[in-house]
Amino acid sequence: QVQLAESGGALVKPGGSLRLSCAASGFTFNDYYMSWIRQAPGRGLEWVAYISGRGHTIYYADSVKGRFTISRDNAKNSLYLQLNILRAEDTAVYYCATYNYDDDGHYYFDNWGQGTLVTVSS
Amino acid sequence: DIQMTQSPSSLSASVGDRVTITCRASQGISKSLNWYQQPPGKAPKLLISVASSLQGGVPSRFSGSGSGTDFTLTISGLQPEDSATYYCQQSYSTPSFGGGTKVEI
Repeated sequence: QVQLAESGGALVKPGGSLRLSCAASGFTFNDYYMSWIRQAPGRGLEWVAYISGRGHTIYYADSVKGRFTISRDNAKNSLYLQLNILRAEDTAVYYCATYNYDDDGHYYFDNWGQGTLVTVSS
Repeated sequence: DIQMTQSPSSLSASVGDRVTITCRASQGISKSLNWYQQPPGKAPKLLISVASSLQGGVPSRFSGSGSGTDFTLTISGLQPEDSATYYCQQSYSTPSFGGGTKVEI
C-alpha cells in the first residue's frame, strides 16, 4: 500500500533554513505528481508547492515563492522541501501528498503522510 | 488565485442527523472540487473527488454535489466516527483549500 513518511522537522530560528524529506513506497514514484501542504497550529490546510513526476513542472504558493524549493529524487523515491529565510508564520505541520489525476485531468491529493512539525521561533 | 469559502465554520449535531456543509468558489471551477476529512490529530483523508465521486472505502452516507461555484458535502446519518474537520479544495488552478468545517457530535 502507499506509504509516505515525512522527516526533518525541527525548531529553527527566524531567518534559518531546514530541509524536509518525504520517503515514498508502495507505488511507482516517478509516475506521480507530489506536493507539500502545511497546517499551522489550530489552523486550516495551506497548499505549499507541487512538482511533476519528472520534476519539469513546479508551482509554489505566493507565500513561499522565492524562499522554498521543492525537489525530488526518483532514484531514491524521495520528495524534498528546502525551507529558507524562515519566518514565524511558517510554523506548521508539513505534509507530503500524492497529487493524482483522473482521465479528465481532475487533480486531487489522494495519499498523505503523517506530517512533520516545523517550529520557527527565537 | 481562487478563494474557497466554507460554511458553517463549525456545527454540532447528533448521531443519525443529516449534515450539510457548503463550499463556494470565488470563480467558476467546473467540477474541480475535492473534499477531505481530518480527524483530530490525524492527517487529512480524501473523501470525494471531482465534486461527487466517492473514494473507495468511504461510507455511502457521504455524498457530494455541485458545479461551477457552489458545492455541498452531505453526511446522511451522522456517526460518532464522523467527528472531524472537513475541507473543500479546488484543483481548477493552483490548489487552494476552504477554511474548514469542524463537525462535533
